[in-house]
Amino acid sequence: DQQVKQNSPSLSVQEGRISILNCDYTNSMFDYFLWYKKYPAEGPTFLISISSIKDKNEDGRFTVFLNKSAKHLSLHIVPSQPGDSAVYFCAASRPQGAQKLVFGQGTRLTINP
Amino acid sequence: DVKVTQSSRYLVKRTGEKVFLECVQDMDHENMFWYRQDPGLGLRLIYFSYDVKMKEKGDIPEGYSVSREKKERFSLILESASTNQTSMYLCASRMVNTEAFFGQGTRLTVV
Repeated sequence: DQQVKQNSPSLSVQEGRISILNCDYTNSMFDYFLWYKKYPAEGPTFLISISSIKDKNEDGRFTVFLNKSAKHLSLHIVPSQPGDSAVYFCAASRPQGAQKLVFGQGTRLTINP
Repeated sequence: DVKVTQSSRYLVKRTGEKVFLECVQDMDHENMFWYRQDPGLGLRLIYFSYDVKMKEKGDIPEGYSVSREKKERFSLILESASTNQTSMYLCASRMVNTEAFFGQGTRLTVV
């Protein structure tokens, strides 16, 4: 049962434009959501997170939006840069226990010059 | 600078071998995790640990075991490596309600 889903395997965006990556979840117990960026042959690096008590969090070029009623979150990157080309994973965790992170399948973002 | 270090970047092992993947973190985190990443499947949780000597199965524990004798070290063991265990293995650690920090990954090839 895929509790976190990223339905777009890939996305291509022109440099300078906005990139929007989407993520859906099914478990209403999730209360903390994160986005990670991953380059080939490297570990994921943390980008931005949001708690379920918020609906928006911003950090520089990155903004995460959370719509709890729709069980949907999105990552906006503005403006997109060539170095943003990578695989992006969304993840979610519950408040109890070790708070294991449940990941989506990933979206490969390509920024075209 | 926080750090999660995995013992090897690349490994090639033979079918049937016992394989040890080591992970060390320097952030005094209680929680540590082992994931594997495969194309189109995202990161799947193999095992995790919330304290020394405490461990729990993740979503795909078959064929794996783990050991956590010290807080900073979490080892993943492939009891008898098989070709379907060829993958990228990622170790992570985290505190409550914060981001997880990942190691650089180990690309394991079983031949």
